[in-house]
Amino acid sequence: AQTVTQSQPEMSVQEAETVTLSCTYDTSESNYYLFWYKQPPSRQMILVIRQEAYKQQNATENRFSVNFQKAAKSFSLKISDSQLGDTAMYFCAFRYSWGKLQFGAGTQVVVTP
Amino acid sequence: DAGVIQSPRHEVTEMGQEVTLRCKPISGHDYLFWYRQTMMRGLELLIYFNNNVPIDDSGMPEDRFSAKMPNASFSTLKIQPSEPRDSAVYFCASSSGVGPLNTGELFFGEGSRLTVL
Repeated sequence: AQTVTQSQPEMSVQEAETVTLSCTYDTSESNYYLFWYKQPPSRQMILVIRQEAYKQQNATENRFSVNFQKAAKSFSLKISDSQLGDTAMYFCAFRYSWGKLQFGAGTQVVVTP
Repeated sequence: DAGVIQSPRHEVTEMGQEVTLRCKPISGHDYLFWYRQTMMRGLELLIYFNNNVPIDDSGMPEDRFSAKMPNASFSTLKIQPSEPRDSAVYFCASSSGVGPLNTGELFFGEGSRLTVL
C-alpha cells in the first residue's frame, strides 16, 4: 500500500524567511507524480508545485521549490521569502501513473510578521 | 472554464436522513475523485472514476455510501442513512490522465461541508 508521510504537523516562520517542509513516500512504482497542494482557511485546494518522477531536475515555481530525491523517496518543499499569504495547510501528494492520488497528513505553516 | 463545481456548499441534516452531494467536473477530464476531509483522518480518497467507470471504491467507508457517475459531466455521492460521524468536508476533483502531455494535476471543487446532527 502506498503511504505518504509528513512528519511535521506545524511549522512557524517569520516573514521573508525560508521554511522547508518534509515529505517521504513509499512505492515500488517507477513512474509517478508528486505534488504539493496548499489549503488556506478558505479550504480551497490549490496546487503549489508538481514533479514528474522521470525528471531529475527539481521543479521550481517562483518562491516555491522542491528537493526531489528519488532513491531516498523524499520530496521536500522550500518556501523562500515567506509571505503572510503563505499561511495555510500544505499537503504532499503522490499519484500513480495509472490514476490514484493519495495525500499526506499535512503540515500547518504559520507565517508571522 | 468554470472549474469543478460542487453543490451544496453547506448541508445540515439530521441523523437518518439521506444526503446527496453533487459534482460537475471540468469538461474534457476523464478522471473524477471523491475525497473526505476530517480533522481526525485528514484527506481520504473515497472513490475514483475513469471514463465514468468506478475504478477503486476501497475507501468508501460502508454500504451507507454510494457514488455514481452517469455521464462525463456529473457525479453524485450519496449517504443513506446519514450519521453524525459522517460530518466532514467532501471534495470532488477531476483531472486528465497522466503522461507526457498531461501533468496529472487534480483540480478541486470548493467542497461540500456536511453536518449531521
